[in-house]
Amino acid sequence: ETGVTQSPTHLIKTRGQQVTLRCSSQSGHNTVSWYQQALGQGPQFIFQYYREEENGRGNFPPRFSGLQFPNYSSELNVNALELDDSALYLCASRDSLNYGYTFGSGTRLTVV
Amino acid sequence: DQQVKQNSPSLSVQEGRISILNCDYTNSMFDYFLWYKKYPAEGPTFLISISSIKDKNEDGRFTVFLNKSAKHLSLHIVPSQPGDSAVYFCAATRGGADGLTFGKGTHLIIQP
Repeated sequence: ETGVTQSPTHLIKTRGQQVTLRCSSQSGHNTVSWYQQALGQGPQFIFQYYREEENGRGNFPPRFSGLQFPNYSSELNVNALELDDSALYLCASRDSLNYGYTFGSGTRLTVV
Repeated sequence: DQQVKQNSPSLSVQEGRISILNCDYTNSMFDYFLWYKKYPAEGPTFLISISSIKDKNEDGRFTVFLNKSAKHLSLHIVPSQPGDSAVYFCAATRGGADGLTFGKGTHLIIQP
C-alpha cells in the first residue's frame, strides 16, 4: 500500500470529550509521527512512534497519547478536549533510511 | 521561541522567473533540513532536503542552499510554473526521535 491515509477527514467534538484519530501508513514505514497544525501556523510535532514504542515527544501535555500497531496503522488520542485543540492533525511516516516523511491529508478537528 | 523562521508570509513571482524562498533557524543542533509544499485540503508533500554536511542540493527545477554559519537556507525554483503556487514549509530536525520543526510557511503565488 502506498501513501498515508487518515480518518476521519473532519470531526466535531464538544469540550471535555475524548477523540481518537486514525492513520494508516505506508508498508515498511516503521516510524510514524503526529503533528498539530493550527490556522496560519506550521505543523507542530506532537510525538513519534518507532516499532510500536513512543520514542520522541514535543511540547504537548499527557492528555495527547498514541498507539502504533504492527500493521503500520496508528492512533492519536486526545482526552479532555479544549477549544484550543481545534486544528488540523497530520500523520506522517517514514522508513529507517530517509528523513523525508510522507504526510497524510489530515483530520480537521473542531472543538465546540 | 520559534526555532525555524520563514519571515515572508507570501511571495509573488512571475511565471518563468526564479522563486526564492528563505528560511532561518536558531538551533545549531539541527543537522537535516527539508522543504515541503502544501496545497489546500492536502497534506504537505516532500520536495527536497539537505544534510548539514552539504551546502547545496539540486533536484530538477528545485535547488536548496544551506549556509550554516548564517543559519540560513533557501529554496530556488527555476523556472517557476503555475502549479508551483502553494504554501512552502521549511523544516529541520536533529534526527532520530526528534520529529520535524516547521516554520510558519510562505505562500508562493505564481502570476501568469
